[in-house]
Amino acid sequence: DTGVSQDPRHKITKRGQNVTFRCDPISEHNRLYWYRQTLGQGPEFLTYFQNEAQLEKSRLLSDRFSAERPKGSFSTLEIQRTEQGDSAMYLCASSSTGGGTGELFFGEGSRLTVL
Amino acid sequence: GENVEQHPSTLSVQEGDSAVIKCTYSDSASNYFPWYKQELGKRPQLIIDIRSNVGEKKDQRIAVTLNKTAKHFSLHITETQPEDSAVYFCAADKSGNTPLVFGKGTRLSVIA
Repeated sequence: DTGVSQDPRHKITKRGQNVTFRCDPISEHNRLYWYRQTLGQGPEFLTYFQNEAQLEKSRLLSDRFSAERPKGSFSTLEIQRTEQGDSAMYLCASSSTGGGTGELFFGEGSRLTVL
Repeated sequence: GENVEQHPSTLSVQEGDSAVIKCTYSDSASNYFPWYKQELGKRPQLIIDIRSNVGEKKDQRIAVTLNKTAKHFSLHITETQPEDSAVYFCAADKSGNTPLVFGKGTRLSVIA
């Protein structure tokens, strides 16, 4: 499967714990996005990378959230001191700026439940 | 920043009827408008998109129309089938220069 993959698919944690999600984009895609989706809502933008550079962060992204894409390939999203309000589906997507349509290809998501 | 509003939030149609979902956007500089379909428990997937240099685009039973003056665009699904049942999201951006901003989604139910 050459699509976007995310790990873990499900994570249950206690409030105050740290969690980390990983995203492996489509290999030839230079852009990687993180979105958050809660029940009944559309994906909300969190941050995105072009290669290894983090180009933009949403105001939704508090100081407890940090994302990296150290070698311009996979990315990690870490949430420190989780809160119940962090419970959501975290979606990763990738795209190519190399003459493509700009279509975002989403992963299956990582569902976070904070107890 | 961009704000995308989507209506209705839920829509039920009889199989074979047409469905229309409407979106408005706020940033007149936006020029790329995709529609994504998300089936229950699955990832969002692009079904059709339109750029600001055209007013309408069709792909078999689905079509999208764009009115740049009014800053709204719509998804039209004709001859609906049960497999069209899903949540549909509209989105807008400036041709990849900004991240996609999504609407809140429309849950379409096609009743057989």
